[in-house]
Amino acid sequence: SQQGEEDPQALSIQEGENATMNCSYKTSINNLQWYRQNSGRGLVHLILIRSNEREKHSGRLRVTLDTSKKSSSLLITASRAADTASYFCATVGAGGTSYGKLTFGQGTILTVHP
Amino acid sequence: KAGVTQTPRYLIKTRGQQVTLSCSPISGHRSVSWYQQTPGQGLQFLFEYFSETQRNKGNFPGRFSGRQFSNSRSEMNVSTLELGDSALYLCASSLVGGAPYEQYFGPGTRLTVT
Repeated sequence: SQQGEEDPQALSIQEGENATMNCSYKTSINNLQWYRQNSGRGLVHLILIRSNEREKHSGRLRVTLDTSKKSSSLLITASRAADTASYFCATVGAGGTSYGKLTFGQGTILTVHP
Repeated sequence: KAGVTQTPRYLIKTRGQQVTLSCSPISGHRSVSWYQQTPGQGLQFLFEYFSETQRNKGNFPGRFSGRQFSNSRSEMNVSTLELGDSALYLCASSLVGGAPYEQYFGPGTRLTVT
């Protein structure tokens, strides 16, 4: 079963604009990660934020985490056509039984128009 | 380093048959996880192997099984295929699989059951 919801389900923007995607989850987490998937291929890891962190940056990516609201957001600044892909949040559960298991959201389809 | 490889990339099988998919992790990675991706259910965790032992399992019927070899390569098997097993099967590797961890995904095997 999916961990939670991602919002919006689809996002269409122009090159140069910022894109913001949101993710909610249901259970306590050890960390939350964001992945990108191009056209039904393998996923690429973008960024990981631990449960005791509130914000993290990596290049044009900014991730925030609010554990009190069980939500996270991914901001992509100055979007490029090459950013067109599906974006998924994934959580690793707290506790010692989460070996190798990522629980994914439904994903946001981002389209960046040149 | 070479990435995660999966074979075959595409597969067409008939209902009732069985299928074996193979995954070679990144050199040095000892944890291999498997996921099923479908349009309806999204990305769902199947199981995780570490040092030839299954440490974690998702909510899939017993028709889905896997194993890991001493070189960390992994296979998953689906017996008595059903139409609903048509999906993209992704494997992912990580160093040890204990949180926190990021996973490196292969390109996937697209299975079509007719």
